[in-house]
Amino acid sequence: AQSVTQLGSHVSVSEGALVLLRCNYSSSVPPYLFWYVQYPNQGLQLLLKYTTGATLVKGINGFEAEFKKSETSFHLTKPSAHMSDAAEYFCAVSDRNGNKLVFGAGTILRVKS
Amino acid sequence: DAGITQSPRHKVTETGTPVTLRCHQTENHRYMYWYRQDPGHGLRLIHYSYGVKDTDKGEVSDGYSVSRSKTEDFLLTLESATSSQTSVYFCAISESGGGTYEQYFGPGTRLTVT
Repeated sequence: AQSVTQLGSHVSVSEGALVLLRCNYSSSVPPYLFWYVQYPNQGLQLLLKYTTGATLVKGINGFEAEFKKSETSFHLTKPSAHMSDAAEYFCAVSDRNGNKLVFGAGTILRVKS
Repeated sequence: DAGITQSPRHKVTETGTPVTLRCHQTENHRYMYWYRQDPGHGLRLIHYSYGVKDTDKGEVSDGYSVSRSKTEDFLLTLESATSSQTSVYFCAISESGGGTYEQYFGPGTRLTVT
Protein backbone atom coordinates (compact mmCIF):
# COMPACT_ATOMS: atom_id res chain seq x y z
CA ALA A 1 0.00 0.00 0.00
CA GLN A 2 1.16 3.48 -0.72
CA SER A 3 1.66 6.07 1.98
CA VAL A 4 2.96 9.61 2.35
CA THR A 5 4.71 11.19 5.31
CA GLN A 6 5.05 14.94 5.59
CA LEU A 7 7.59 15.93 8.23
CA GLY A 8 6.37 18.87 10.27
CA SER A 9 2.70 19.73 10.55
CA HIS A 10 3.64 23.42 10.88
CA VAL A 11 6.56 25.29 9.30
CA SER A 12 7.31 28.94 9.94
CA VAL A 13 9.68 31.03 7.80
CA SER A 14 10.46 34.70 7.45
CA GLU A 15 9.49 36.57 4.32
CA GLY A 16 12.32 36.20 1.80
CA ALA A 17 13.70 33.04 3.40
CA LEU A 18 13.96 29.60 1.83
CA VAL A 19 10.88 27.41 2.03
CA LEU A 20 11.49 23.66 2.46
CA LEU A 21 8.55 21.31 2.98
CA ARG A 22 9.45 17.65 3.33
CA CYS A 23 7.65 14.68 1.81
CA ASN A 24 8.62 11.01 1.90
CA TYR A 25 6.58 8.31 0.23
CA SER A 26 6.25 4.58 0.28
CA SER A 27 5.34 2.78 -2.91
CA SER A 28 6.06 -0.66 -4.28
CA VAL A 29 5.98 0.62 -7.84
CA PRO A 30 7.35 3.77 -9.46
CA PRO A 31 5.01 6.49 -8.26
CA TYR A 32 3.47 9.62 -9.59
CA LEU A 33 3.99 12.42 -7.07
CA PHE A 34 2.09 15.64 -6.53
CA TRP A 35 2.11 18.76 -4.40
CA TYR A 36 -1.16 20.59 -3.81
CA VAL A 37 -1.79 23.87 -2.00
CA GLN A 38 -4.91 24.84 -0.07
CA TYR A 39 -5.63 28.44 0.83
CA PRO A 40 -8.05 29.10 3.71
CA ASN A 41 -11.63 28.03 3.00
CA GLN A 42 -10.80 26.86 -0.51
CA GLY A 43 -10.29 23.62 -2.36
CA LEU A 44 -6.93 22.22 -3.36
CA GLN A 45 -4.90 23.50 -6.29
CA LEU A 46 -2.12 21.61 -8.04
CA LEU A 47 1.34 23.16 -7.57
CA LEU A 48 3.38 20.61 -9.51
CA LYS A 49 3.66 16.94 -10.34
CA TYR A 50 6.27 14.35 -11.21
CA THR A 51 5.37 11.57 -13.62
CA THR A 52 8.44 10.62 -15.63
CA GLY A 53 11.56 12.24 -17.03
CA ALA A 54 13.37 15.11 -15.34
CA THR A 55 13.48 14.64 -11.61
CA LEU A 56 13.49 18.37 -10.85
CA VAL A 57 9.99 19.65 -11.44
CA LYS A 58 9.00 23.30 -11.59
CA GLY A 59 5.54 24.42 -10.63
CA ILE A 60 3.48 27.53 -10.21
CA ASN A 61 4.31 30.49 -7.96
CA GLY A 62 8.08 29.76 -8.02
CA PHE A 63 7.87 26.37 -6.31
CA GLU A 64 9.87 23.34 -7.38
CA ALA A 65 10.37 19.79 -6.13
CA GLU A 66 12.94 17.09 -6.75
CA PHE A 67 12.15 13.40 -7.00
CA LYS A 68 14.87 11.36 -5.30
CA LYS A 69 14.20 7.68 -5.75
CA SER A 70 17.07 6.55 -3.51
CA GLU A 71 15.67 8.64 -0.66
CA THR A 72 11.99 8.06 -1.54
CA SER A 73 11.54 11.79 -1.19
CA PHE A 74 9.81 14.61 -3.04
CA HIS A 75 10.59 17.76 -1.05
CA LEU A 76 9.05 21.09 -2.05
CA THR A 77 11.18 24.24 -2.12
CA LYS A 78 10.94 27.91 -2.94
CA PRO A 79 14.00 30.18 -2.77
CA SER A 80 12.24 33.19 -1.29
CA ALA A 81 8.99 33.05 0.69
CA HIS A 82 6.25 35.59 0.13
CA MET A 83 3.41 36.43 2.47
CA SER A 84 0.97 35.06 -0.09
CA ASP A 85 2.58 31.59 0.24
CA ALA A 86 0.94 31.12 3.65
CA ALA A 87 -1.31 28.10 3.16
CA GLU A 88 -1.51 24.37 3.78
CA TYR A 89 0.49 22.13 1.49
CA PHE A 90 -0.23 18.50 0.72
CA CYS A 91 2.02 15.89 -0.84
CA ALA A 92 0.27 13.03 -2.63
CA VAL A 93 1.20 9.82 -4.40
CA SER A 94 -0.61 7.66 -6.92
CA ASP A 95 0.31 4.45 -8.65
CA ARG A 96 0.64 4.09 -12.40
CA ASN A 97 -3.08 3.38 -12.71
CA GLY A 98 -3.58 6.73 -11.09
CA ASN A 99 -7.13 6.07 -10.06
CA LYS A 100 -6.50 7.06 -6.48
CA LEU A 101 -4.43 9.68 -4.75
CA VAL A 102 -3.03 9.06 -1.27
CA PHE A 103 -2.39 12.29 0.59
CA GLY A 104 -0.05 13.19 3.39
CA ALA A 105 -1.40 14.86 6.52
CA GLY A 106 -0.43 18.31 5.29
CA THR A 107 1.99 21.04 6.37
CA ILE A 108 0.77 24.50 7.33
CA LEU A 109 3.22 27.15 6.16
CA ARG A 110 3.36 30.40 8.07
CA VAL A 111 5.28 33.34 6.62
CA LYS A 112 6.43 36.00 9.07
CA SER A 113 7.00 39.60 8.07
CA ASP B 1 -11.00 27.42 -12.85
CA ALA B 2 -12.54 24.02 -13.39
CA GLY B 3 -16.32 24.15 -13.30
CA ILE B 4 -17.06 22.27 -10.09
CA THR B 5 -19.74 23.23 -7.62
CA GLN B 6 -20.72 21.57 -4.38
CA SER B 7 -24.00 21.93 -2.54
CA PRO B 8 -24.72 22.71 0.14
CA ARG B 9 -21.57 24.56 1.19
CA HIS B 10 -22.46 24.29 4.86
CA LYS B 11 -24.81 21.93 6.66
CA VAL B 12 -25.63 21.16 10.27
CA THR B 13 -27.60 17.99 10.90
CA GLU B 14 -28.52 15.72 13.77
CA THR B 15 -27.19 12.25 14.47
CA GLY B 16 -29.20 9.57 12.73
CA THR B 17 -30.54 11.72 9.90
CA PRO B 18 -29.77 11.04 6.24
CA VAL B 19 -27.66 13.60 4.37
CA THR B 20 -26.90 13.96 0.68
CA LEU B 21 -24.12 16.11 -0.71
CA ARG B 22 -24.02 17.00 -4.38
CA CYS B 23 -21.10 17.59 -6.70
CA HIS B 24 -21.79 19.09 -10.11
CA GLN B 25 -19.26 19.54 -12.92
CA THR B 26 -19.43 21.28 -16.26
CA GLU B 27 -16.17 19.85 -17.65
CA ASN B 28 -17.51 16.49 -18.91
CA HIS B 29 -14.70 14.72 -17.05
CA ARG B 30 -15.02 10.97 -16.68
CA TYR B 31 -13.69 10.54 -13.15
CA MET B 32 -15.23 12.03 -10.03
CA TYR B 33 -14.10 11.60 -6.42
CA TRP B 34 -15.32 12.28 -2.90
CA TYR B 35 -12.78 12.99 -0.15
CA ARG B 36 -13.09 13.99 3.46
CA GLN B 37 -10.58 16.30 5.12
CA ASP B 38 -9.82 16.05 8.83
CA PRO B 39 -7.01 17.68 10.80
CA GLY B 40 -3.96 15.45 10.97
CA HIS B 41 -5.25 13.12 8.27
CA GLY B 42 -5.03 15.17 5.11
CA LEU B 43 -7.59 14.10 2.54
CA ARG B 44 -8.90 10.56 2.48
CA LEU B 45 -10.78 9.02 -0.44
CA ILE B 46 -14.34 7.92 0.31
CA HIS B 47 -15.64 6.75 -3.08
CA TYR B 48 -14.92 7.48 -6.69
CA SER B 49 -16.63 7.05 -10.03
CA TYR B 50 -15.10 6.19 -13.38
CA GLY B 51 -18.27 6.64 -15.41
CA VAL B 52 -22.03 6.81 -15.20
CA LYS B 53 -23.22 4.12 -12.80
CA ASP B 54 -19.60 2.95 -12.28
CA THR B 55 -18.30 3.50 -8.78
CA ASP B 56 -15.75 2.00 -6.41
CA LYS B 57 -14.81 2.28 -2.77
CA GLY B 58 -11.99 4.28 -1.35
CA GLU B 59 -10.07 4.16 1.88
CA VAL B 60 -12.89 5.29 4.22
CA SER B 61 -16.13 4.16 2.58
CA ASP B 62 -17.97 2.72 5.60
CA GLY B 63 -21.15 4.66 6.32
CA TYR B 64 -21.20 6.33 2.89
CA SER B 65 -22.83 5.52 -0.42
CA VAL B 66 -22.62 7.25 -3.79
CA SER B 67 -24.54 7.45 -7.02
CA ARG B 68 -23.80 8.80 -10.45
CA SER B 69 -26.74 8.77 -12.87
CA LYS B 70 -25.38 11.55 -15.09
CA THR B 71 -21.84 12.47 -16.11
CA GLU B 72 -22.10 15.84 -14.44
CA ASP B 73 -23.46 14.82 -11.01
CA PHE B 74 -21.95 12.70 -8.25
CA LEU B 75 -23.93 12.34 -5.03
CA LEU B 76 -22.57 11.33 -1.64
CA THR B 77 -25.09 10.02 0.89
CA LEU B 78 -24.68 9.47 4.58
CA GLU B 79 -27.53 7.06 5.32
CA SER B 80 -27.53 7.77 9.06
CA ALA B 81 -25.15 10.54 10.02
CA THR B 82 -22.86 10.09 13.01
CA SER B 83 -20.70 12.62 14.85
CA SER B 84 -17.57 10.95 13.42
CA GLN B 85 -18.73 12.09 9.98
CA THR B 86 -18.35 15.74 10.94
CA SER B 87 -15.80 16.87 8.40
CA VAL B 88 -15.12 18.95 5.32
CA TYR B 89 -16.03 17.07 2.16
CA PHE B 90 -14.35 17.76 -1.16
CA CYS B 91 -15.36 16.63 -4.59
CA ALA B 92 -12.72 16.30 -7.30
CA ILE B 93 -12.81 15.56 -11.01
CA SER B 94 -10.28 14.20 -13.46
CA GLU B 95 -10.33 13.82 -17.20
CA SER B 96 -9.06 10.26 -16.92
CA GLY B 97 -7.82 7.83 -14.34
CA GLY B 98 -4.23 7.77 -15.52
CA GLY B 99 -1.83 9.17 -12.96
CA THR B 100 -0.70 11.99 -15.21
CA TYR B 101 -4.12 13.59 -15.12
CA GLU B 102 -4.65 16.35 -12.60
CA GLN B 103 -7.51 16.19 -10.14
CA TYR B 104 -9.44 19.45 -9.84
CA PHE B 105 -11.12 20.15 -6.54
CA GLY B 106 -14.38 21.82 -5.65
CA PRO B 107 -14.77 24.43 -2.89
CA GLY B 108 -15.84 21.92 -0.22
CA THR B 109 -18.85 21.28 2.00
CA ARG B 110 -18.53 21.73 5.74
CA LEU B 111 -20.76 19.17 7.49
CA THR B 112 -21.45 19.23 11.21
CA VAL B 113 -23.29 16.34 12.83
CA THR B 114 -24.62 17.20 16.30
